[in-house]
Amino acid sequence: QQPVQSPQAVILREGEDAVINCSSSKALYSVHWYRQKHGEAPVFLMILLKGGEQKGHEKISASFNEKKQQSSLYLTASQLSYSGTYFCGANNDMRFGAGTRLTVKP
Amino acid sequence: KAGVTQTPRYLIKTRGQQVTLSCSPISGHRSVSWYQQTPGQGLQFLFEYFSETQRNKGNFPGRFSGRQFSNSRSEMNVSTLELGDSALYLCASSLRVSSYNSPLHFGNGTRLTVT
Repeated sequence: QQPVQSPQAVILREGEDAVINCSSSKALYSVHWYRQKHGEAPVFLMILLKGGEQKGHEKISASFNEKKQQSSLYLTASQLSYSGTYFCGANNDMRFGAGTRLTVKP
Repeated sequence: KAGVTQTPRYLIKTRGQQVTLSCSPISGHRSVSWYQQTPGQGLQFLFEYFSETQRNKGNFPGRFSGRQFSNSRSEMNVSTLELGDSALYLCASSLRVSSYNSPLHFGNGTRLTVT
């Protein structure tokens, strides 16, 4: 069962904030986030683990709510380079959500 | 460190033919997974291999198969190609099986067009 992402798409102006949600129908103990720019391969953003551990390498924050079986990705003060499609994956299931297309305009 | 390498980058085949795609993971990575990506369909999981064994499989017909060699390189085969198989096929490698806490590293993909 793949996770459910929302919204499907969002358009922002530079400097605005966005939140992307990822929900699972099963108990959640880890979430992966990836970004894919047009014509490129998906790139790892971060992993959130049950217990609060977070592994990532970009200045993007995320939350992990075990009770709600949900993770949220926070993009603050968005830049043009944030544009792309964001995917989440849950637990050790190799399946991803359908993606959220984020467009940042000047 | 070299990234994940997929060959070929582009492929054009005719309906009914078969095709083999190749993926070389990052050195030291033993898990290789395959995804199909079509416009509007996101990343559809095909299968995952670890130590030459298929560990996980998506909901694709038996025409889609794969294997992994002792050096962790992997191949994916699609037989009796259909028009709907036209897609970008992505391969990803990771250190551990089913990537619970290990990131996936994707290759640039093979663009397959079936005519």
